[in-house]
Amino acid sequence: DTAVSQTPKYLVTQMGNDKSIKCEQNLGHDTMYWYKQDSKKFLKIMFSYNNKELIINETVPNRFSPKSPDKAHLNLHINSLELGDSAVYFCASSLDRGSVSPGELFFGEGSRLTVL
Amino acid sequence: SQKIEQNSEALNIQEGKTATLTCNYTNYSPAYLQWYRQDPGRGPVFLLLIRENEKEKRKERLKVTFDTTLKQSLFHITASQPADSATYLCALDRKAAGNKLTFGGGTRVLVKP
Repeated sequence: DTAVSQTPKYLVTQMGNDKSIKCEQNLGHDTMYWYKQDSKKFLKIMFSYNNKELIINETVPNRFSPKSPDKAHLNLHINSLELGDSAVYFCASSLDRGSVSPGELFFGEGSRLTVL
Repeated sequence: SQKIEQNSEALNIQEGKTATLTCNYTNYSPAYLQWYRQDPGRGPVFLLLIRENEKEKRKERLKVTFDTTLKQSLFHITASQPADSATYLCALDRKAAGNKLTFGGGTRVLVKP
């Protein structure tokens, strides 16, 4: 059983298109995240949701919109794709138990987005 | 500005030797630091967590130290094996920024048989 699964694994699309990436975790965790890993391998946090509530929203263009229908799912929708959006997007989750610091992150396998 | 720095150059090491990686940070007051392993085409996998009041943590052949005065963590892989070849990422929380992990750029380790 995959703990954190995201689809699709690969996504190739044209500039200007709109696309979505889906993520699901079956770990019973409270918090889910989206991270972006660029070509230089830096992992940068984009968003975080705790029990469907947005708690972290980094400086990300408005074209990126996360949606959490329930605490096991966190989707990422991207409008008007640009060349610079090409990257690997990782979903992750953590079990916080109400503590002030997040625990270890469990990552999905990543979704490689290529914008042509 | 806040920075987390890991050696961007790959570390080539002979099997059986100890690999030592560094993670330096500036303008952070982390409550804890984590280390992850990432294989090509895969997501990062958690290895170890060390808190600010801990000097050292061990897990099998892995050892992590945390010096909040030097603002540095060292990650050691003893008796390294080719299967240890991967990129290793350090990550710090940012207590003043909503408790989220921030990652360094990672160091690639290549263990040669």
